[in-house]
Amino acid sequence: GQQLNQSPQSMFIQEGEDVSMNCTSSSIFNTWLWYKQDPGEGPVLLIALYKAGELTSNGRLTAQFGITRKDSFLNISASIPSDVGIYFCAGQKNTGTASKLTFGTGTRLQVTL
Amino acid sequence: EAQVTQNPRYLITVTGKKLTVTCSQNMNHEYMSWYRQDPGLGLRQIYYSMNVEVTDKGDVPEGYKVSRKEKRNFPLILESPSPNQTSLYFCASSIAGKTGELFFGEGSRLTVL
Repeated sequence: GQQLNQSPQSMFIQEGEDVSMNCTSSSIFNTWLWYKQDPGEGPVLLIALYKAGELTSNGRLTAQFGITRKDSFLNISASIPSDVGIYFCAGQKNTGTASKLTFGTGTRLQVTL
Repeated sequence: EAQVTQNPRYLITVTGKKLTVTCSQNMNHEYMSWYRQDPGLGLRQIYYSMNVEVTDKGDVPEGYKVSRKEKRNFPLILESPSPNQTSLYFCASSIAGKTGELFFGEGSRLTVL
């Protein structure tokens, strides 16, 4: 099946630092999405990207849909303790249809005070 | 409150004992899906449903069954559970036009002995 390479696998940062993570694929996607999973809960959608080159922000989070359609990145500015969790990227080939959503393996973020 | 509700949240069972994990959403979503989450493998789709009486296999459907008799409910059935089905299971739903923008339940942790 398709693989999404998400990096880094984990990161430890200090409160206030900026965070950057990315997701790459060998194939093209028409939609990129970023989810966050808090401990003991289900993933929650953070940002959805539908257009190559698109840059979208949601508060301190910014995500971009790579121009090649094969990658996406997520930045978190001025991290705070509640940013702790696992961040998943996901790619979808055909927007809006039942086209499979492929998830990355996640980036585990730990924030120290 | 908009939500996806799964039951049970935790279950320990034995090999071969049939079980059902229920999923219900109150958002009138057409699309529903089941995922399993395993360490290092991210989220993998088991089955999905585009609407009532319409279901289809995901990436890892072996050993599972689903049904969609009502729009709000999408139960996952394990007819004869085996230890390799020990996992964290998530139900998710979305509107038909944006099947990447999923609302997830809180998860059901299943252990098969």
